[in-house]
Amino acid sequence: DQQVKQNSPSLSVQEGRISILNCDYTNSMFDYFLWYKKYPAEGPTFLISISSIKDKNEDGRFTVFLNKSAKHLSLHIVPSQPGDSAVYFCAASAREYGNKLVFGAGTILRVKS
Amino acid sequence: DAGVTQSPTHLIKTRGQQVTLRCSPISGHKSVSWYQQVLGQGPQFIFQYYEKEERGRGNFPDRFSARQFPNYSSELNVNALLLGDSALYLCASSLAGVENNSPLHFGNGTRLTVT
Repeated sequence: DQQVKQNSPSLSVQEGRISILNCDYTNSMFDYFLWYKKYPAEGPTFLISISSIKDKNEDGRFTVFLNKSAKHLSLHIVPSQPGDSAVYFCAASAREYGNKLVFGAGTILRVKS
Repeated sequence: DAGVTQSPTHLIKTRGQQVTLRCSPISGHKSVSWYQQVLGQGPQFIFQYYEKEERGRGNFPDRFSARQFPNYSSELNVNALLLGDSALYLCASSLAGVENNSPLHFGNGTRLTVT
């Protein structure tokens, strides 16, 4: 049962434009959502998170939007840079489940210069 | 400040053998979690430890075990290795335990290959 889904395996964007990465979840108990970036041969790096009591959180070029009624979140990167090219993982957790993270399968982002 | 450190970085084992992976959390972090990532998938939760006690276990067989030491470092043990155990094993630490949401900070992982 895949509770967190990233339906786009890959995304290609021109440098300077907006990158939008999407994530859907099925478990309504999830109350904390995170995005991680992963380069080859490195571990996932935390990017940004959002609590279920909010619908938007910004940190520099990165903004995460949460639509609880649709069980959908997205990560916007503006402007995209070649160094943003990586695998992006969406993850979710629930206080009732002890904060373990449930990850999506990831989306490969390629930013072309 | 040093991040989460894991050792070894790479490991090759034969089916049936046993392996021990090690992890040192970020200084001040008392919670350590272990995840398994196979190619093409996101990391899968194996264990969480907080203050040296197991606080969560994922859907993995009893061949997988772990422990946390008084200095908050941790070991993951896998017995009777199978080919399907080949994966990247990630350790993560966080400030908080299970009661509060706080992001996990991951190490670079141990790449385990079982032949």
